[in-house]
Amino acid sequence: QSVLTQPPSVSAAPGQKVTISCSGSSSNIGNNYVSWYQQLPGTAPKLLIYQNNLRPSGIPDRFSGSKSGTSATLGITGLQTGDEADYYCATWDTSLSAGVFGGGTKLTVL
Amino acid sequence: QVQLQESGPGLVRASETLSLTCSVSGYSISTAYYWGWVRQPPGKGLEWIGIIFRTGNTYYNPSLKSRVTISLDTSKNQFSLNLISVTAADTAVYYCTRDDTFGGLIVSKFDYWGQGMLVTVSS
Repeated sequence: QSVLTQPPSVSAAPGQKVTISCSGSSSNIGNNYVSWYQQLPGTAPKLLIYQNNLRPSGIPDRFSGSKSGTSATLGITGLQTGDEADYYCATWDTSLSAGVFGGGTKLTVL
Repeated sequence: QVQLQESGPGLVRASETLSLTCSVSGYSISTAYYWGWVRQPPGKGLEWIGIIFRTGNTYYNPSLKSRVTISLDTSKNQFSLNLISVTAADTAVYYCTRDDTFGGLIVSKFDYWGQGMLVTVSS
């Protein structure tokens, strides 16, 4: 069981929008920054969003992040088949003094 | 361009010690940032193992803390992972990564990753 809760899977059609949620608590998401990662099959995770809503250079603005209270959300618009991947949220947990990941969400672009 | 590369044995016997090294190029690990390890059992999600700062300050996953040590070798621009008393549950792809801080807070911003190394624990 992960400290952060994500839906196991989401799906949407090409061109549509999808959101992926990440639920935590006051000791992690509630008082720390959230980042999001995309993991394509057989590859290392790739940073998509950091500090809740910032995109590294090279990440298209189709990807967005937000945080409210103890939950965070990753949004992807204009879905492409190349977006099919596993997505993970991550943050610091102050009570654990450790980093934590969500369980991951598999995105299927139908 | 910052690059990280894991190395070490791909097969470890149960009850023995898993030892991996991450070689960093394009940035001096003695300058800044946290440097750490993340693992992923086959078909499962990511698990945070721990991080180390240039001062040697470390943070570990509480579930692994009794078995794990992360250390720095600044002369070689490398950092290492030691995990003792391994079992089949430690079989995973191990990634080394760089973490960032902001305003003195650790922000879990893993911006550079190694390609990952599969370590299998055999009985």
